[in-house]
Amino acid sequence: EAGVTQFPSHSVIEKGQTVTLRCDPISGHDNLYWYRRVMGKEIKFLLHFVKESKQDESGMPNNRFLAERTGGTYSTLKVQPAELEDSGVYFCASSQDRLGRFGYSSYNEQFFGPGTRLTVL
Amino acid sequence: LAKTTQPISMDSYEGQEVNITCSHNNIATNDYITWYQQFPSQGPRFIIQGYKTKVTNEVASLFIPADRKSSTLSLPRVSLSDTAVYYCLVVNFNKFYFGSGTKLNVKP
Repeated sequence: EAGVTQFPSHSVIEKGQTVTLRCDPISGHDNLYWYRRVMGKEIKFLLHFVKESKQDESGMPNNRFLAERTGGTYSTLKVQPAELEDSGVYFCASSQDRLGRFGYSSYNEQFFGPGTRLTVL
Repeated sequence: LAKTTQPISMDSYEGQEVNITCSHNNIATNDYITWYQQFPSQGPRFIIQGYKTKVTNEVASLFIPADRKSSTLSLPRVSLSDTAVYYCLVVNFNKFYFGSGTKLNVKP
């Protein structure tokens, strides 16, 4: 079974340009997440899709970031316009829903992609 | 989100058992304890998850005391390929908080 894939693996752009990152989750996974690690800091949550709906986008840093998941399959994360501080590694993850001990999806294993390294010059 | 505290780094030798302890003092009733492993240039990879007592799988064991304010990941007989960053996460629903992780360095 194919894992989570991300494209491109690396992207180098200039400040002010636009970049679109793509994530293909594991087939059948309704949950899709975006994370990023900026400048060697901690991996931070950006947002969570359930199918095509944004379940939680509390981690999105500002309105220069736009995530979409049309049709509930792959997702894109667009940064427009890119700033220097946007440089980092962007991870995508996906998971299935599993009922935990409390009867809701409190337990799930997230499968991560290899990440996209974004460099803004 | 419940945050976690774990050692920044640990050294070990091949063949040894490695125990990495994580504290999570403000863990909530609905939270699970999860450990991930990350190699350079790769995304994090799930190792093990538990709620209380002990959980064991083919790669690791997870020990969680009754108060659940800490947990210990145990890696039996590590090899050089276990050199990685290990993250302890407290998971509630779907939002993961990674923290800084523990960089494990396995020496020959």
